[in-house]
Amino acid sequence: DIQMTQSPSSLSSSVGDTVTITCRASQNIARYLNWYQQKPGQAPRLLVYAASSLQSGVPSRFSGSGSGSDFTLTISGLQPEDFATYYCQQSFSTPPDYSFGQGTKLEI
Amino acid sequence: EVQLVESGGGLVQPGGSLRLSCAASGFTLSSYEINWIRQAPGKGLQWISYISGDDSMEYFADSVKGRFTISRDKAKNSLYLQMSNLSAEDTAVYYCARDAAAAGWFDPWGQGTLVTVSS
Repeated sequence: DIQMTQSPSSLSSSVGDTVTITCRASQNIARYLNWYQQKPGQAPRLLVYAASSLQSGVPSRFSGSGSGSDFTLTISGLQPEDFATYYCQQSFSTPPDYSFGQGTKLEI
Repeated sequence: EVQLVESGGGLVQPGGSLRLSCAASGFTLSSYEINWIRQAPGKGLQWISYISGDDSMEYFADSVKGRFTISRDKAKNSLYLQMSNLSAEDTAVYYCARDAAAAGWFDPWGQGTLVTVSS
């Protein structure tokens, strides 16, 4: 099984700040890494797929990078609507046995 | 609009069964791989199952293997998750999600349906 570890687990920031969330895989997953945003009471929303590709409709202040086992999600110029929980997810496993990180809660 | 809507959640006793539905609109469900992901109250996301577009492949997380099955109704453009021998550890919001490009990333997700296992 591939374990995904995010850091930090929680983060306090202010509007306008730039924040970076890290996700580490327990083995090499190439670029099979995706990021989601979840707000309270809502379903997750895909932000970034394949490590660095921005999903259609996602603001350009979100960016992803990394390969192998270390990945980052960066939000440049935080907006009030960005305060949420963020999850990474690996899609490397074949057959599918996808796993998520434990989440990073971004608070004001 | 491409959309998924889950239904069928509710309160069930330990050892009981429940069938969840995932209905699609705006696209043909059978053309895509679909996954189920659950989220226990206050916890993170856990992938639990996958079905290929042609129904030839199904995979389940170890935590539900042997207890959960998947089926489709192409006429209703719907997918079903049959859950049996439920325990308190299965209490969660259950989401269905489309594999957007047969590459393991999920978009869109349904709004989720809550399953509570309790006596």
